[in-house]
Amino acid sequence: DAGVIQSPRHEVTEMGQEVTLRCKPISGHDYLFWYRQTMMRGLELLIYFNNNVPIDDSGMPEDRFSAKMPNASFSTLKIQPSEPRDSAVYFCASSGLVSNEQFFGPGTRLTVL
Amino acid sequence: DAKTTQPTSMDCAEGRAANLPCNHSTISGNEYVYWYRQIHSQGPQYIIHGLKNNETNEMASLIITEDRKSSTLILPHATLRDTAVYYCIVFRGGSNYKLTFGKGTLLTVNP
Repeated sequence: DAGVIQSPRHEVTEMGQEVTLRCKPISGHDYLFWYRQTMMRGLELLIYFNNNVPIDDSGMPEDRFSAKMPNASFSTLKIQPSEPRDSAVYFCASSGLVSNEQFFGPGTRLTVL
Repeated sequence: DAKTTQPTSMDCAEGRAANLPCNHSTISGNEYVYWYRQIHSQGPQYIIHGLKNNETNEMASLIITEDRKSSTLILPHATLRDTAVYYCIVFRGGSNYKLTFGKGTLLTVNP
């Protein structure tokens, strides 16, 4: 298995633009997580899905952020409009069972100018 | 979920055992202790987890005290590639599947 796949690996955009981050979880995994990591705040859980259904989105910072999982093999995290403070590394992770290990992707480094 | 306390940083000589401590004095009976690590610029990587008993796998050993208020992750023969931030996380699971990452311990393995 190729592991969790994220794209793009790097994204540079200007303030106000829409940004879409993509994630392909490991096949057969039922849980998908989106995290954000910054120097100031560390690694934060934004939202997670179970069987394509959002379970907890309390970590989503504001309405500019939205996440979808249209099927078991694909998820997106969208920021519209983007702001410089959204600059961070965004990780996607997937897991097969509750209380089981989470497998993280390589991350997307987002820079908003 | 219970909070954890870890040292900010530790050093270890290559080839020696690295012992990373974690305090979780408010842990509940149904909460697990998980360890992840993050090598620079990579996503976190699961290492090991346990509930009450000591656990060992190909990467590390986890020693949990009898009162479960603290634990130690042991890397038996540290290599330079083990230099990373190590996170100790207490996790209940069930209906709430949130992993809360603290600041972790930066382990530096020196040649």
